[in-house]
Amino acid sequence: DIQMTQSPSVLSASVGDRVTLNCKASQNINKYLNWYQQKLGEAPKLLIYNTNNLQTGIPSRFSGSGSGTDYTLTISSLQPEDVATYFCFQHNSWPTFGAGTKLELK
Amino acid sequence: QVQLKESGPGLVQPSETLSLTCTVSGFSLTSYGVNWVRQPPGKGLEWMGTIWNDGSTDYNSALKSRLSISRDTSKSQVFLKMNSLQTEDTAIYLCARGRDTDYWGQGVMVTVSS
Repeated sequence: DIQMTQSPSVLSASVGDRVTLNCKASQNINKYLNWYQQKLGEAPKLLIYNTNNLQTGIPSRFSGSGSGTDYTLTISSLQPEDVATYFCFQHNSWPTFGAGTKLELK
Repeated sequence: QVQLKESGPGLVQPSETLSLTCTVSGFSLTSYGVNWVRQPPGKGLEWMGTIWNDGSTDYNSALKSRLSISRDTSKSQVFLKMNSLQTEDTAIYLCARGRDTDYWGQGVMVTVSS
């Protein structure tokens, strides 16, 4: 199975900061990488699909990039409502999730 | 609009079988697959399996011997059955649409305990 490693596990940032979350696959996943936001007590919400495609209704401050084994989710200007845990998910082969990055306000 | 809703028992005895239903609306099961995903309390997400639009299934290798996913297209329902439950199967169980998992249900909490 493909292992997905997210870093950092916890990130503290201030409102307005540019924030970068990382996800590394144990092998090439051919850009079949999604990002989700999960707030406490809620179901995951799809933000980005297939590396860099913004899901309908998601603010444009969210963007994704990457290739091969290394992928990034960027929030261009952090807002208070972005406090959540972010998961990456590969569906190139048997699907696997990363363990998540918890994003907090400083 | 697209909706998915999980239902099932909140409490299951150890060694028994879990049966869950995902009822969907706003799309057809013959056009989209449905995934089952679970999340133990305070932990990350685990893909369990998928029933595709053609009715074929894929399962997480770690669960394959205990897991079965089926559907009733006329009722827009997808079913999960998992046997030999243990306490470590305590989790929120969620269903999600399609390969991109673009829509999710709210999940149902299942506790395995005597």
